[in-house]
Amino acid sequence: AQKVTQAQTEISVVEKEDVTLDCVYETRDTTYYLFWYKQPPSGELVFLIRRNSFDEQNEISGRYSWNFQKSTSSFNFTITASQVVDSAVYFCALTLNRDDKIIFGKGTRLHILP
Amino acid sequence: DGGITQSPKYLFRKEGQNVTLSCEQNLNHDAMYWYRQDPGQGLRLIYYSQIVNDFQKGDIAEGYSVSREKKESFPLTVTSAQKNPTAFYLCASSIGGTVGELFFGEGSRLTVL
Repeated sequence: AQKVTQAQTEISVVEKEDVTLDCVYETRDTTYYLFWYKQPPSGELVFLIRRNSFDEQNEISGRYSWNFQKSTSSFNFTITASQVVDSAVYFCALTLNRDDKIIFGKGTRLHILP
Repeated sequence: DGGITQSPKYLFRKEGQNVTLSCEQNLNHDAMYWYRQDPGQGLRLIYYSQIVNDFQKGDIAEGYSVSREKKESFPLTVTSAQKNPTAFYLCASSIGGTVGELFFGEGSRLTVL
């Protein structure tokens, strides 16, 4: 069975600090997709990134970066120079193929303090 | 603007009443999903539909029903059989099934009095 674990329930950092959100996944399949979504206070989840299991390259998008390591089954998300607008709940998710379900982690609530 | 519209945003219901949550999308997506979110529980799948007139149960379908008569619409009915319906409900759609990006609505918060 597939599983996604986000061990950090809640994190608080001061603005401009870097912060890393951890995501550990479990699957026996060799083909899978990993996602990160952001849920701001307005409620809707916003897609941040998708990574397939054959692409272990790290990704950087502005202040956001993702570290995918199959050896440790982790897909961690780092925000550099955090801003108050980054305050949200962040979800990591896993799916196997187009007809399967997406398994979401329980989310990490991130507070960026001014 | 293209997107997903959920209504109502807030809904109060008395015990024993059925209530229907609306979800409409103008993204021309084939797949649509309903999730339930409880504090500290993440998102749990209630129902999903890959195509018009077809839908499948998710992990927590008991006490819920859906229909998919039109591509744009995927309403969710919370029936009186749902033991603990107070929650935040999110509708989503995607063009590529679950491997594609999910687009979410802003959610509907249901409170049972």
